[in-house]
Amino acid sequence: DAGITQSPRHKVTETGTPVTLRCHQTENHRYMYWYRQDPGHGLRLIHYSYGVKDTDKGEVSDGYSVSRSKTEDFLLTLESATSSQTSVYFCAIRGWGNYGYTFGSGTRLTVV
Amino acid sequence: DAKTTQPPSMDCAEGRAANLPCNHSTISGNEYVYWYRQIHSQGPQYIIHGLKNNETNEMASLIITEDRKSSTLILPHATLRDTAVYYCIVRLDLISGNTPLVFGKGTRLSVIA
Repeated sequence: DAGITQSPRHKVTETGTPVTLRCHQTENHRYMYWYRQDPGHGLRLIHYSYGVKDTDKGEVSDGYSVSRSKTEDFLLTLESATSSQTSVYFCAIRGWGNYGYTFGSGTRLTVV
Repeated sequence: DAKTTQPPSMDCAEGRAANLPCNHSTISGNEYVYWYRQIHSQGPQYIIHGLKNNETNEMASLIITEDRKSSTLILPHATLRDTAVYYCIVRLDLISGNTPLVFGKGTRLSVIA
């Protein structure tokens, strides 16, 4: 949708293993975001990026790291997955000006 | 960002107008009102935004009170496909800056046949 794709769409992993989720955009937008969504909590911001190699933490960043080595890719890494990180992860992009965010279709991650 | 208050749920008959209210009494002069919706399991979708004037696009209308302390999103002829959670968000919008969207719990709109 609108040049943003997330991969994988679904993943099951074991506790303690590293996991990397990918967000890829073809819009050349500067800003990219990672959110997680859980029942009862709504969407919560994990990390965001305002340019290549420029990232910052959101409200629930513990246990997550991100990297953005090129404009089109924003990677979210769980260094050692825990069951509390079972969630649906959404990536979003934003261009310049008063424009809305465009969200990806989400990645459903289950940590067993 | 200013906080918003929305009713947790609303029902609307198919074909009728859906009016979704949002209170943002602490909004500051340079903060915009944004509306997004999230249809089950999908990523949120941008609907509309405004600063002080009423706005309309192909999806909806946004009515902002003169004192800017509240707003109403209007879906003029609701269909079953409009069943979703609707989020009202207030944020600064800096052309060259970055203020991440902060989502509340939104209003779950159910359109009933």
